[in-house]
Amino acid sequence: AQTVTQSQPEMSVQEAETVTLSCTYDTSESDYYLFWYKQPPSRQMILVIRQEAYKQQNATENRFSVNFQKAAKSFSLKISDSQLGDAAMYFCAWYNQAGTALIFGKGTTLSVSS
Amino acid sequence: GAVVSQHPSRVICKSGTSVKIECRSLDFQATTMFWYRQFPKQSLMLMATSNEGSKATYEQGVEKDKFLINHASLTLSTLTVTSAHPEDSSFYICSARQAGREKLFFGSGTQLSVL
Repeated sequence: AQTVTQSQPEMSVQEAETVTLSCTYDTSESDYYLFWYKQPPSRQMILVIRQEAYKQQNATENRFSVNFQKAAKSFSLKISDSQLGDAAMYFCAWYNQAGTALIFGKGTTLSVSS
Repeated sequence: GAVVSQHPSRVICKSGTSVKIECRSLDFQATTMFWYRQFPKQSLMLMATSNEGSKATYEQGVEKDKFLINHASLTLSTLTVTSAHPEDSSFYICSARQAGREKLFFGSGTQLSVL
């Protein structure tokens, strides 16, 4: 069975600084997707960034980037120039190629201080 | 963009009653719907996966007779919590997969409180 592990229950960062959230996963499949989702207090799930496993190039979305290490099954999220609005719970998720399984990690609560 | 409408957003019910939660894809066909429950400050725990026109696949430990999932059309999936008890109080959220694509769209969630 697939598992997603986020080993940092809580992280904190100062405004304008950079923070990295860790995620590891376990799967026997070769093709899949990985996501980082943000869940603010409203609890609406917001897609931050996605990575296709077959792509070697790391995905980037403005201030958000990932370090995808397929062999190590690692998928960390880097947030640059942190803003107060980045404070939220962040979930790493694994999604299979067939679109039949979407598994979340336990989440990391990120706080941002001014 | 694609939207998943989830209703109700909040429901309070008495113990022993049944509650139905709807997730409707407004402008796309959803071949697969994932149903999750989330306790405060915890992760989304997958309850079941439903595909249009077929029976839902439940995760281990989830009572299928208690959490009835119906996915009768490509735009509507429902979760019915039967004979709800206080321990069923939780945040329930759906996620729809668009037909033919890997894109996923989340509902806004339902906070269920059972008295």
